Amino acid sequence: EAGVTQFPSHSVIEKGQTVTLRCDPISGHDNLYWYRRVMGKEIKFLLHFVKESKQDESGMPNNRFLAERTGGTYSTLKVQPAELEDSGVYFCASSRMAEGTYEQYFGPGTRLTVT
Amino acid sequence: RKEVEQDPGPFNVPEGATVAFNCTYSNSASQSFFWYRQDCRKEPKLLMSVYSSGNEDGRFTAQLNRASQYISLLIRDSKLSDSATYLCVVNERRTDKLIFGTGTRLQVFP
Repeated sequence: EAGVTQFPSHSVIEKGQTVTLRCDPISGHDNLYWYRRVMGKEIKFLLHFVKESKQDESGMPNNRFLAERTGGTYSTLKVQPAELEDSGVYFCASSRMAEGTYEQYFGPGTRLTVT
Repeated sequence: RKEVEQDPGPFNVPEGATVAFNCTYSNSASQSFFWYRQDCRKEPKLLMSVYSSGNEDGRFTAQLNRASQYISLLIRDSKLSDSATYLCVVNERRTDKLIFGTGTRLQVFP
């Protein structure tokens, strides 16, 4: 079974530019999550999709961040316009929709550097 | 105060040693508890879930004390390959999001 995949693995952009990150969850996983780790800090939750619906977006830092999951398959996270403080590693995770199962499986992450 | 607190370490131990990590969490509504392992520049990988009764997986033992809001991980007979950062993670069932500690770094030397 293929794991969670993310694209690109690295992205270097200038302040003010736009970047779109993509996540493909494990096949059959209805839950999809975005997390972020900025340097020196813990991994923090950004948002949660159940299929194509946003279940919880309480962790999104501001309206420069837009996440979508059209069709309930892959998801994109767009940052527009990017700021220096957006630099970090963006992880995507997925889990099955099953009662009592909360194990989330993480992708390799996208390392974003804003200069 | 952080929601999940861990000693960042590093813990430097010789091969074969037993090492224990502790973690405390602040939200008494937390429902599920995990230890994840993260290698340098890699994604977090689930090591084990933690249950109130305690659970063991080979050389790894995890314990949960809900009254004290305290989680532990014990590694016996440390291997060089155990060198990594160990992340204490809690889940609030109401929201389904994971809340991470900053991690404890373990370095096992020959």
